[in-house]
Amino acid sequence: NAGVMQNPRHLVRRRGQEARLRCSPMKGHSHVYWYRQLPEEGLKFMVYLQKENIIDESGMPKERFSAEFPKEGPSILRIQQVVRGDSAAYFCASSPGRQPGNTIYFGEGSWLTVV
Amino acid sequence: AQSVAQPEDQVNVAEGNPLTVKCTYSVSGNPYLFWYVQYPNRGLQFLLKYITGDNLVKGSYGFEAEFNKSQTSFHLKKPSALVSDSALYFCAVRDNYGGSQGNLIFGKGTKLSVKP
Repeated sequence: NAGVMQNPRHLVRRRGQEARLRCSPMKGHSHVYWYRQLPEEGLKFMVYLQKENIIDESGMPKERFSAEFPKEGPSILRIQQVVRGDSAAYFCASSPGRQPGNTIYFGEGSWLTVV
Repeated sequence: AQSVAQPEDQVNVAEGNPLTVKCTYSVSGNPYLFWYVQYPNRGLQFLLKYITGDNLVKGSYGFEAEFNKSQTSFHLKKPSALVSDSALYFCAVRDNYGGSQGNLIFGKGTKLSVKP
């Protein structure tokens, strides 16, 4: 019973490069969330997606960041032209739907280091 | 707007003693409350949730939480702490307002340290 799968677990990018983080939700889950955790800080919501649809991107920086959840395949969080401040842990989570009582399950995270 | 507060950055407990990690919330409408635990360099693991019903919710690893509507609190408790409980604990509320329905709003986290 696979949980939320994220890859890569660790990613090192030079400033100006692109980072692509992938997330496969739990089986049967159609809703995906991305959160960012900066060192010594809590989790900040970034974006909430359903298959082929962005439900809420209010937490996404206006530039360089984008997310998608296609009909087939994993959800992708894309960061273009990375800067040192993008270094963080990025967590994906999934749930079966929007019902507020549904549990949201998290992946193990992708740690991005920008050098 | 929904929000969660964890007033303590760190809680220190001796092994075998009871532990409490505090959480208060502010919501419009019914609260849907969650606790998660994070071990170093790992993802968040779900511990328990309150949706409705009994105010005392039992969860994983012997943890429980008490929902108190009048005090708008949802404190996490365990009768006897283990060294292995040392981790970062997050309280969260499910956003059920407007376009952000479904998202979790997290507190800043409380670092629990259990000493032998």
